[in-house]
Amino acid sequence: SQQGEEDPQALSIQEGENATMNCSYKTSINNLQWYRQNSGRGLVHLILIRSNEREKHSGRLRVTLDTSKKSSSLLITASRAADTASYFCATLDGGFKTIFGAGTRLFVKA
Amino acid sequence: GAGVSQSPSNKVTEKGKDVELRCDPISGHTALYWYRQSLGQGLEFLIYFQGNSAPDKSGLPSDRFSAERTGGSVSTLTIQRTQQEDSAVYLCASSYGLAADTQYFGPGTRLTVL
Repeated sequence: SQQGEEDPQALSIQEGENATMNCSYKTSINNLQWYRQNSGRGLVHLILIRSNEREKHSGRLRVTLDTSKKSSSLLITASRAADTASYFCATLDGGFKTIFGAGTRLFVKA
Repeated sequence: GAGVSQSPSNKVTEKGKDVELRCDPISGHTALYWYRQSLGQGLEFLIYFQGNSAPDKSGLPSDRFSAERTGGSVSTLTIQRTQQEDSAVYLCASSYGLAADTQYFGPGTRLTVL
C-alpha cells in the first residue's frame, strides 16, 4: 500500500479560484515533493520542501509541511485552465523507495 | 540539454511474449527509477538504481520482472511471459544523486498486453 495519500481525489473549480490539495504520509521524511502529471504520461516536478521547512512558495504555488501531523498541502492560487492535471505528493520510505500517493485530479473550468 | 527518454512510446504485445522497455536518463544522473502506473492510479515503485547497482528491488511485482543498468546510463526493464495485468504505463525517472533528489521523468511507455 502507498504511504502517500492525497485528498480530495478529484477537485473541480472555476478559473481564478484557488485549489488546495492535501497529502498525508506515514514515516519520517527528509523531504516531500509535489509533482504534476498531464494526460497520464511523464510527471513534472513542482516543488520540494525539506523536513525543517514549514512553508515554501514558487510562483502561484504554496506548499506547507506539518511534520507533527505528517501532512502537507499544495495551494494553487488564481487557477488557470492550464492547471488542469493530476497532482501527486512523493516521499521516501526511509530507504530508497519513493512513495507516490494516488493523486488529486484537478479540473479547472474556463 | 536532453531530458529522460523512453522507448518505445507504445508497445502492444500478446500474452506470454517477452518485452523490453528502455530508458535513457539525463546525462550525469547517477540515480534511475522505474515505476508502473495503471489507468487512473498513482505510481507504483518498481526499482531504483544507484549507478549500475540496484540496492532496492523490493518493488518488482514478480520474478517475471527484471531490470538492468549498464555503464551507469541506459536501463532496460524486461517483462517475461507478459500477462494482461502487466498492461500499464511504465515510467522511468532519473536524479542527480541521492534517492531524495528531484526526479526527472520520461514520457513513459504504454504497454498493452492482449
